[in-house]
Amino acid sequence: AQKVTQAQTEISVVEKEDVTLDCVYETRDTTYYLFWYKQPPSGELVFLIRRNSFDEQNEISGRYSWNFQKSTSSFNFTITASQVVDSAVYFCALSSETTGGFKTIFGAGTRLFVKA
Amino acid sequence: AAGVIQSPRHLIKEKRETATLKCYPIPRHDTVYWYQQGPGQDPQFLISFYEKMQSDKGSIPDRFSAQQFSDYHSELNMSSLELGDSALYFCASSPMGQGIDESGSTGELFFGEGSRLTVL
Repeated sequence: AQKVTQAQTEISVVEKEDVTLDCVYETRDTTYYLFWYKQPPSGELVFLIRRNSFDEQNEISGRYSWNFQKSTSSFNFTITASQVVDSAVYFCALSSETTGGFKTIFGAGTRLFVKA
Repeated sequence: AAGVIQSPRHLIKEKRETATLKCYPIPRHDTVYWYQQGPGQDPQFLISFYEKMQSDKGSIPDRFSAQQFSDYHSELNMSSLELGDSALYFCASSPMGQGIDESGSTGELFFGEGSRLTVL
């Protein structure tokens, strides 16, 4: 069975602080994909990053960075020097290919509050 | 670039009424997914279609039905609406590729902006 766990329900930080959002996943598939999505108050799901199971290289994109570790089944997301505009719910998701499509499940989400 | 289009963006219905949500996938995407996100919840998978055939089914109530048409757009029909059906409904599309190393397959679902259904 597949599962995504985001243990942090809510995180509150002050602007300019660094913050790490944790994501732990479970899957028996050898080929899978991991994602992070941002959901601002307006409601849309904004794609942030995709990683496939064969690519453990960490990635940095501006103030965002991701740490993928298969050994611990974790795909953590760090925001450096957080800003008020980073306030949103962040979802980690796991996707694997099935017959006729992808099966994607989401974690429960972490609500990030960045205070000025 | 064209994105997934959902309509209507907002819908208000009374209990026991019927609602229909529409989804237009990204051109050349042959797979469509429907997700339901209740207040404070994560998106829950409802149903998916590949090449106009139902490919997977999640926690979709029997009161709901969906289909994918010849032009690949999809419609989610919800009948006998209940208060608990109030949610944000996302449609997503993806291209089916050959595997992890093929350009068409990234595992990514491309989401629409969602349709917010309020049942009074």
